[in-house]
Amino acid sequence: QQQVKQSPQSLIVQKGGISIINCAYENTAFDYFPWYQQFPGKGPALLIAIRPDVSEKKEGRFTISFNKSAKQFSLHIMDSQPGDSATYFCAARFGGANNLFFGTGTRLTVIP
Amino acid sequence: DADVTQTPRNRITKTGKRIMLECSQTKGHDRMYWYRQDPGLGLRLIYYSFDVKDINKGEISDGYSVSRQAQAKFSLSLESAIPNQTALYFCATSDLGGGASYNEQFFGPGTRLTVL
Repeated sequence: QQQVKQSPQSLIVQKGGISIINCAYENTAFDYFPWYQQFPGKGPALLIAIRPDVSEKKEGRFTISFNKSAKQFSLHIMDSQPGDSATYFCAARFGGANNLFFGTGTRLTVIP
Repeated sequence: DADVTQTPRNRITKTGKRIMLECSQTKGHDRMYWYRQDPGLGLRLIYYSFDVKDINKGEISDGYSVSRQAQAKFSLSLESAIPNQTALYFCATSDLGGGASYNEQFFGPGTRLTVL
């Protein structure tokens, strides 16, 4: 059973547009919600992370919006660039073990 | 991340063979993890280790075993490989986790395993 549900599976955005990826979870024991970015042939790398007591976190063009009551969070990529083309995974951390449950991934393609 | 290395990077093997995937890290982290990545399923945790003497099963440990030979080395074994173990395997490391801060997991470049 997928602990973290992610959508869409794939996304095509024009250069300069906004990319939005959504995730949802059920387990209220999750205490941190990171996003990872993966380029072909590489391992995932941390992009940005948020705690559930914060509603929004912004780092450059990347913003996480978090809705604790709805158990949903999303990644917004402003002014999307071709270099942002990658697969994005949301994840949720389970407590002190630092274990991560990943979403199924979104393949983003930014068209020049 | 060059601080986490995995060998081999690619491996093709046959059903029933024993396979070992190796992971080494120079980050000095205590915690190490093995994940598998499948299209449409994301990454799923196979095993994790808090230190040399502490190894724990993850979501999908059946058919796999691990060995933590040293703080810096964590190996994943498939005792008798089967075709549905064909996947991309990642090793990751982190500092002590939990608490108020997020302790980033650093991933290796992955091993693509094909079981025929």
